[in-house]
Amino acid sequence: EVQLVESGGGLVQPGRSLRLSCTASGFTFGDYAMTWVRQAPGKGLEWVGFIGSKAYGGTTKYAASVKGRFSISRDDSESVAYLQINSLKTEDTAVYYCTRTVPYGSGSYGLWGQGTLVTVSS
Amino acid sequence: DIQMTQSPSSLSASVGDRVTITCQASQDISNYLSWYQQKPGKAPKALIYDAANLETGVSSRFSGSGSGTDFTFTISSLQPEDFATYYCQQYDNLRPITFGGGTKVENK
Repeated sequence: EVQLVESGGGLVQPGRSLRLSCTASGFTFGDYAMTWVRQAPGKGLEWVGFIGSKAYGGTTKYAASVKGRFSISRDDSESVAYLQINSLKTEDTAVYYCTRTVPYGSGSYGLWGQGTLVTVSS
Repeated sequence: DIQMTQSPSSLSASVGDRVTITCQASQDISNYLSWYQQKPGKAPKALIYDAANLETGVSSRFSGSGSGTDFTFTISSLQPEDFATYYCQQYDNLRPITFGGGTKVENK
């Protein structure tokens, strides 16, 4: 079955760090860019960033709102994408989704994970 | 960044109604636009890509049109399972990806 499964969310104190994982199965992970999208409670969708496929140099791009604190990486041998979040702020509280898209990163998101909730609170 | 202005932000409709949602981009994005459906507590689901192409397995009552800056999403005959929130998304290759603010389709 083609799917994405996020993990690693939870309750975290402000200022701490967290690493989210997105484990893929059922398709050739290395052929795709992987993207993270978040959704704060009761709000709309916000693009966080992506990592391109190795064929496109594994290029990363980030939203201005998270640049410098968020980092996306990937391990093609394990079919996992990661989102490292540093210096967490209360406004980072959201459900974080990973998605799959075209190898260069700018495309439609035909496959989504179920999401993982990150709550930042003291 | 490209701003995506989606309207209306909510609408009330009945089963069988024709529903139309618009999305306006602040810059020309050619046809680099998708539409998504999201139900409460669930991940978004892609319905339309490249402005007018139906994702595999998606009902033909959903359709999209437009290019440049003005786009339209239509449900030809609203079904009970279509009550949800809909988002547009632009993916112009030279700009950060952005979503519209969403349109909640409610039962009248």
